[in-house]
Amino acid sequence: AQSVTQLDSQVPVFEEAPVELRCNYSSSVSVYLFWYVQYPNQGLQLLLKYLSGSTLVESINGFEAEFNKSQTSFHLRKPSVHISDTAEYFCAVRTSSGGSYIPTFGRGTSLIVHP
Amino acid sequence: DSGVTQTPKHLITATGQRVTLRCSPRSGDLSVYWYQQSLDQGLQFLIQYYNGEERAKGNILERFSAQQFPDLHSELNLSSLELGDSALYFCASSSSLSEGETQYFGPGTRLLVL
Repeated sequence: AQSVTQLDSQVPVFEEAPVELRCNYSSSVSVYLFWYVQYPNQGLQLLLKYLSGSTLVESINGFEAEFNKSQTSFHLRKPSVHISDTAEYFCAVRTSSGGSYIPTFGRGTSLIVHP
Repeated sequence: DSGVTQTPKHLITATGQRVTLRCSPRSGDLSVYWYQQSLDQGLQFLIQYYNGEERAKGNILERFSAQQFPDLHSELNLSSLELGDSALYFCASSSSLSEGETQYFGPGTRLLVL
């Protein structure tokens, strides 16, 4: 069975500081990797995804994640965070199952940006 | 706004009862996913439907069932409710079954079982 580990349940950081949210997955087969963001009282929104090709993927709001196959990691980074980045972040992996792609989510990392 | 709607927003009920949660996918999306989010278990995939047919099952209890109707809306039925079923239930939709297809999440239904 797939598993996704988000090593930090909470990451406090000051505004304009860099941040890294860690994600490791377990799989020996092809995986497709995703980061989602959940703002308070809202559903999840896709932040970025890795399917194939360049191992560095970027989102429109300054986040990036790098797929590292040897370390089975997909860490999320931002060089300078804003107060508005305060949210819950979920790493997810999709694997093939009978023609569908079943998602497995990590437990989430709460990013708290302080002024 | 993702375009996915879920009703009701909140639901309070008692143990042993049965409830139905409703989801309307984005216009044109054929696939619907149901998830349960709780403090204990995190975000768990329950079940997926595509164009009216069940495509994949996750950690869905036997007391739970779902269906997708011809107009593509979906319902999740939870019966013999227990305290531990209290959670946020999300529906998500996507247009196809491809591995990279973006899932659009609804705002969720918060279920409280007393």
